[in-house]
Amino acid sequence: AQKVTQAQTEISVVEKEDVTLDCVYETRDTTYYLFWYKQPPSGELVFLIRRNSFDEQNEISGRYSWNFQKSTSSFNFTITASQVVDSAVYFCALLAGDSWGKLQFGAGTQVVVTP
Amino acid sequence: EAGVAQSPRYKIIEKRQSVAFWCNPISGHATLYWYQQILGQGPKLLIQFQNNGVVDDSQLPKDRFSAERLKGVDSTLKIQPAKLEDSAVYLCASSLGAGPSTDTQYFGPGTRLTVL
Repeated sequence: AQKVTQAQTEISVVEKEDVTLDCVYETRDTTYYLFWYKQPPSGELVFLIRRNSFDEQNEISGRYSWNFQKSTSSFNFTITASQVVDSAVYFCALLAGDSWGKLQFGAGTQVVVTP
Repeated sequence: EAGVAQSPRYKIIEKRQSVAFWCNPISGHATLYWYQQILGQGPKLLIQFQNNGVVDDSQLPKDRFSAERLKGVDSTLKIQPAKLEDSAVYLCASSLGAGPSTDTQYFGPGTRLTVL
């Protein structure tokens, strides 16, 4: 069975602080895909990144960076120098197994950035 | 490029009434998904279409939920009759349908359903 755990329910930071969101996943498959989505108050899920299980390179995109570690089954997400517009719920998701379309989402982490 | 379109954005109904949601995927996307997101939880897949065929509907409560994608483009999700526990956001997503190694699901704005 696939499972995604986002242990942090809510993180509050002051603007310009860094924030790291944890994501731990479980799967028995050797090939799988990991995703991060952002859900602002408007409700739409916005795709941020996907990672394949055979590519452990970390990635940086502007103020966003991702740390993928297969040894600890983690795919953590860091926002550097946070801004108020980063306030949203962030979801980590896993795609694996026989049901290739079924994204398994974590419960999400609410990020609140105050000025 | 236009994103995934959904309507209505909000719907309030009484329990035991019926309701329908509409989704138009990104142009050229063969795969369409319906997810249910209960407040405070991550989205859960209800049904997946590849063109006009159902790929996975294992988590769709078929006694009250139905969905169709007759021409392989837009789709309708229906609930009949609605229960209080159906209050949620219903998200539609689409992807190219090229397979998991390249597919990424793009989501619409969702329909927020409240059942009273």
